[in-house]
Amino acid sequence: KNEVEQSPQNLTAQEGEFITINCSYSVGISALHWLQQHPGGGIVSLFMLSSGKKKHGRLIATINIQEKHSSLHITASHPRDSAVYICGVQGAQKLVFGQGTRLTINP
Amino acid sequence: DAGVTQSPTHLIKTRGQHVTLRCSPISGHKSVSWYQQVLGQGPQFIFQYYEKEERGRGNFPDRFSARQFPNYSSELNVNALLLGDSALYLCASSLWSGSGFKTEAFFGQGTRLTVV
Repeated sequence: KNEVEQSPQNLTAQEGEFITINCSYSVGISALHWLQQHPGGGIVSLFMLSSGKKKHGRLIATINIQEKHSSLHITASHPRDSAVYICGVQGAQKLVFGQGTRLTINP
Repeated sequence: DAGVTQSPTHLIKTRGQHVTLRCSPISGHKSVSWYQQVLGQGPQFIFQYYEKEERGRGNFPDRFSARQFPNYSSELNVNALLLGDSALYLCASSLWSGSGFKTEAFFGQGTRLTVV
């Protein structure tokens, strides 16, 4: 079993829909990261959080440390949100990543 | 301020050759980490360097090595290349203390290595 599991692996939705991507992990962590990767490979860090909830624009990330679970939500989704979203959990020296969720938003 | 820069952006090598990938961190960041991302998978941790010392190593063979220079830039070296080394190699910089990351990791655009 992987240390970090994301679901779903692939998600297709219509523009305007509310999107939820889930991340579960099995190890103790100091923080959790959500990253966005567009075609071509460039990675952008969206959130780093260790408790509660963070919000940037239409993006919201939550984490439940006791349940070892985090969610990334996108409100009013747009085709430009189409990307791979990667969850990473932070140990002392390294990040361990999930396999990513490929999100496609159709106009 | 420039972000994390990696060079080259693309590279094609033949099996058995050696490759050197380079990374310049964000100014002020003393920690550099390297990750390998094979198509369709999440990044896998290779190395972390802080203050020119190796602080962490992932499950990669000894063909992989790295170093960090006094200006905190870093090189990743891979010897005796195999077809399976074809991947996107990502460098990330962050503020890091001995007990963990102080900021999120900032990633470069990556070097896409193709081994033929």
